[in-house]
Amino acid sequence: EAQVTQNPRYLITVTGKKLTVTCSQNMNHEYMSWYRQDPGLGLRQIYYSMNVEVTDKGDVPEGYKVSRKEKRNFPLILESPSPNQTSLYFCASSLTVWGTQYFGPGTRLLVL
Amino acid sequence: EDQVTQSPEALRLQEGESSSLNCSYTVSGLRGLFWYRQDPGKGPEFLFTLYSAGEEKEKERLKATLTKKESFLHITAPKPEDSATYLCAVQSNTGFQKLVFGTGTRLLVSP
Repeated sequence: EAQVTQNPRYLITVTGKKLTVTCSQNMNHEYMSWYRQDPGLGLRQIYYSMNVEVTDKGDVPEGYKVSRKEKRNFPLILESPSPNQTSLYFCASSLTVWGTQYFGPGTRLLVL
Repeated sequence: EDQVTQSPEALRLQEGESSSLNCSYTVSGLRGLFWYRQDPGKGPEFLFTLYSAGEEKEKERLKATLTKKESFLHITAPKPEDSATYLCAVQSNTGFQKLVFGTGTRLLVSP
C-alpha cells in the first residue's frame, strides 16, 4: 500500500531533550515536506526537500533541523525542544515539487 | 503574500441538507488549488486539484469549482460520514513550491 508513515504517533517530552520524528514514504517521491498544525493557524511548512541532500527552510524553521540522506526518509529533528513546539506534526510527500502532496498520519508532540 | 481564507469556520447540516464551503484566495500566480479532508487525529486526505478558472471536479457527493478568486466545495445530500474538517490550499507558480493552507471548515452532519 502506498503510504507515508511517521513515528512516533504520540510523544511527551521535556524541554531541552533532543528528539527525532521519523518520516518514510514508499512511493519513490522526490519531494518531501514537514508541516505543523496549530489551532487557528492552519498547516504551516517547516522544512522541505526536493531530493536527496537538497533541503530548504519553510515558513517556520526555527528550532528544527532535517536531513535527507535517502530518498524515502525525511526525519525531523528537534535538538532542544521548547513548549512552543507543542503541536501536531505532519510529513507529506509528492512525486515532484508540483505534484499532489500526500500526508502521513501525524505526530502529536507535547513539550513540558 | 499568498493567502487563503475559508468560510464558514464551522457548519452544521442535517443529513440530506446540501450546502457549500467557500475558499477565497490571493496568489501571485495560481499553479493549483487543492482540497483535502481531515478527520480528527488523522492526516489530511487528498480530494481534488483544480488548475484553472471554470474547472470542476466531482467525487461522490462532493463537487469542487474554481473561479479566479475563490473555490467552492459543494456537498450534495450529505451523510454523517461526511463530517470532517475540509482544508483548502493553494500553490503558486512563481518560484515557491509550498502549499498555503486555510484554517479549514469543520463540517458536522447530523442524522
